[in-house]
Amino acid sequence: DGGITQSPKYLFRKEGQNVTLSCEQNLNHDAMYWYRQDPGQGLRLIYYSQIVNDFQKGDIAEGYSVSREKKESFPLTVTSAQKNPTAFYLCASSLYAGLGVPPLHFGNGTRLTVT
Amino acid sequence: SQQGEEDPQALSIQEGENATMNCSYKTSINNLQWYRQNSGRGLVHLILIRSNEREKHSGRLRVTLDTSKKSSSLLITASRAADTASYFCATSLRDDKIIFGKGTRLHILP
Repeated sequence: DGGITQSPKYLFRKEGQNVTLSCEQNLNHDAMYWYRQDPGQGLRLIYYSQIVNDFQKGDIAEGYSVSREKKESFPLTVTSAQKNPTAFYLCASSLYAGLGVPPLHFGNGTRLTVT
Repeated sequence: SQQGEEDPQALSIQEGENATMNCSYKTSINNLQWYRQNSGRGLVHLILIRSNEREKHSGRLRVTLDTSKKSSSLLITASRAADTASYFCATSLRDDKIIFGKGTRLHILP
């Protein structure tokens, strides 16, 4: 079955450490996205990528970095510069990113806790 | 900044009743989408309505779009316990971003 895999489901880190969240898709989608979800705040866009080797900042990119070396993979690194990293992180993909973005397919998220 | 805002924030109804939730947005859009999220899971796409469409149906779902008022509504008819979830509207903007609202938490009472 095609889909998006996020791993791990739960992640615990000490403050000051960088951590990388994995996102892999086998849907052959061009576009991929990272969102952060906090209670009562909905989803906020961190980064998105329309094509391999290209990505753009979303609304809350500070303290995060991404890479898109392969079409299937879009890892997110939460750096020590991110002030409040504890959150639920969701990765998504879409067939393309152009005028009128088609439906997003989501992974089941990674819950990151930093203490 | 949040593009879409759902209303109400939370809604509890009896099983079998209809549930209506609304979404307002601020800027011009290419399309508007509705998603469902069960607790602790990813979002699932429900329905997409383009900016030149006014109404769309999918099973028990009915979505309307009023671009003059910059608003959309999602109607779930004959609600079931399995409809208990959070529902989000998402707007596709001219710069290829897709922005989500804060969601409506729907609880179906037995």
